[in-house]
Amino acid sequence: AQSVAQPEDQVNVAEGNPLTVKCTYSVSGNPYLFWYVQYPNRGLQFLLKYITGDNLVKGSYGFEAEFNKSQTSFHLKKPSALVSDSALYFCAVRDIEVGTGRRALTFGSGTRLQVQP
Amino acid sequence: DAGVIQSPRHEVTEMGQEVTLRCKPISGHDYLFWYRQTMMRGLELLIYFNNNVPIDDSGMPEDRFSAKMPNASFSTLKIQPSEPRDSAVYFCASSGQGNSNQPQHFGDGTRLSIL
Repeated sequence: AQSVAQPEDQVNVAEGNPLTVKCTYSVSGNPYLFWYVQYPNRGLQFLLKYITGDNLVKGSYGFEAEFNKSQTSFHLKKPSALVSDSALYFCAVRDIEVGTGRRALTFGSGTRLQVQP
Repeated sequence: DAGVIQSPRHEVTEMGQEVTLRCKPISGHDYLFWYRQTMMRGLELLIYFNNNVPIDDSGMPEDRFSAKMPNASFSTLKIQPSEPRDSAVYFCASSGQGNSNQPQHFGDGTRLSIL
């Protein structure tokens, strides 16, 4: 079964500093990996995805993520954090479910990013 | 372009009442998902449809929960009878063809409080 882990409940960073939000995954086949962001009282918004190709994926709002197959990680990064980046971030993975053949998206537990001015 | 539209945004009702949540997916999307979000359990997939047909309802917690998609532009999630532990934010999401690599687009959710 596929799974995804976000080991940090919260990440604190000062504005202007680089940020990293960690994600590791476990799948039986080739993973499709996603990052979403959730602002208060809003639904999740798609940031970026990795399907195949370049290990460094660029997404919305200056975010990027690096796919590392050997470490089964897909960490979200940004070179210079903004206060407006403060939100809840979710990593998600999709794989074909063994047995059923159905494709399901599994979300991590979320990491709250707090950017201090 | 209009995104995924959910209604109502907020609902407060008493235990035992029937609750109906509504969702209009993005036009042209053929996958529709219902999620529930709580502090304790995070984001849970309840059910998803492909071309209006339920594909996986293994996340539906109990028989009190039911979901329908009578056409490509409308879906409902019904709870009958409702219980206080059903209080949560319920999200609807849709995605286009090629479900595996297409991102899901979420509505802003329905915040449900069962008293």
